[in-house]
Amino acid sequence: AQRVTQPEKLLSVFKGAPVELKCNYSYSGSPELFWYVQYSRQRLQLLLRHISRESIKGFTADLNKGETSFHLKKPFAQEEDSAMYYCALLANAGGTSYGKLTFGQGTILTVHP
Amino acid sequence: AAGVIQSPRHLIKEKRETATLKCYPIPRHDTVYWYQQGPGQDPQFLISFYEKMQSDKGSIPDRFSAQQFSDYHSELNMSSLELGDSALYFCASSLARWTNTGELFFGEGSRLTVL
Repeated sequence: AQRVTQPEKLLSVFKGAPVELKCNYSYSGSPELFWYVQYSRQRLQLLLRHISRESIKGFTADLNKGETSFHLKKPFAQEEDSAMYYCALLANAGGTSYGKLTFGQGTILTVHP
Repeated sequence: AAGVIQSPRHLIKEKRETATLKCYPIPRHDTVYWYQQGPGQDPQFLISFYEKMQSDKGSIPDRFSAQQFSDYHSELNMSSLELGDSALYFCASSLARWTNTGELFFGEGSRLTVL
């Protein structure tokens, strides 16, 4: 069975500081990994996916299969980045599992002015 | 732009009662997912539907049932409610051909409190 672990429930940084939200996974197949974000009083939404190799709002995440990690990074945090961040894994990518995401427990990021 | 709509937003029930949650997906989305998020927990996948047929099943109790209707809206029925059913229930939708991209569009959730 797949599992996603986010070891930090809370992460607090100052504006302009680098930030890294950790995510580790366990899955025997070839996973697809995502970061979802939930801003205050807003719905959960996709931030980025590893297959796109994209940078969204200055955030990037690299899939490291050797370390089974998918950490989310941003070099200079902004106050508007304060939110709950969930790492999620899609098992059976390309197979029959239609959007059955396994979420980590989430990390609350607070960026102080 | 239209988003996923869930109703009711809040629901209070007593033990052993029944509750029904509704989800209206984004127009033209054919796949609906239900997730349950208990206090301080991560969202847990319950069940999904594609073109009105159940497509995947997660940790959904036997006391719960769900279906997707011809207009693609979905309902989650919960019977014999227990205190542990108190949670935020998320619905999400997507177009099946996009599903392996992992982008689900979530509703704001329905908060169920069982007293």
